[in-house]
Amino acid sequence: SQQGEEDPQALSIQEGENATMNCSYKTSINNLQWYRQNSGRGLVHLILIRSNEREKHSGRLRVTLDTSKKSSSLLITASRAADTASYFCATVRSSNTGKLIFGQGTTLQVKP
Amino acid sequence: NAGVMQNPRHLVRRRGQEARLRCSPVKGHSHVYWYRQLPEEGLKFMVYLQKENIIDESGMPKERFSAEFPKEGPSILRIQQVVRGDSAAYFCASSRPDQNEKLFFGSGTQLSVL
Repeated sequence: SQQGEEDPQALSIQEGENATMNCSYKTSINNLQWYRQNSGRGLVHLILIRSNEREKHSGRLRVTLDTSKKSSSLLITASRAADTASYFCATVRSSNTGKLIFGQGTTLQVKP
Repeated sequence: NAGVMQNPRHLVRRRGQEARLRCSPVKGHSHVYWYRQLPEEGLKFMVYLQKENIIDESGMPKERFSAEFPKEGPSILRIQQVVRGDSAAYFCASSRPDQNEKLFFGSGTQLSVL
């Protein structure tokens, strides 16, 4: 099955709440990335975490990586209506390549 | 700086016709990737090209699909004799040679096969 599987598939929260999305993968990786996709648009790179890192922050985003469990989580704090989008994790097996293996994505709806 | 430009935004073809999708990478980016996204699914890798070279085409269907990235001009994804199952969003992404892991995506071409 697909490397990089997210759960939940869909998440609906109120503005101001935190949103947590999880991603599991199967093979060894060099790094794991999170992307956001607004409806009908291309993907926007959010954050990259390398296999030797455990946690990374970027603004309201916090990403964790547990290579022993082959899993990652993306936390969006103090969510806003503008955060409504689909979120995908993608793994990279080798360094210096953009060949990404994407999961199915989590659709996040933030209600104002 | 302009981002990755894809055209057309929407493309409608009848079964058996050819589809040509174009991608102009970010200026200075010499690596191009093509991905396909079916409805309600994540993106699936198709092909990785550098100028005048196909580096990895492991995700390309064996028949009817081809890609190129010439020395001059945009990258082209070509689908011959399209079938309904080819209907999908096709995304192009580019990267710098020294930051090949970080991709910049275009807005995609939505291909509809009637």
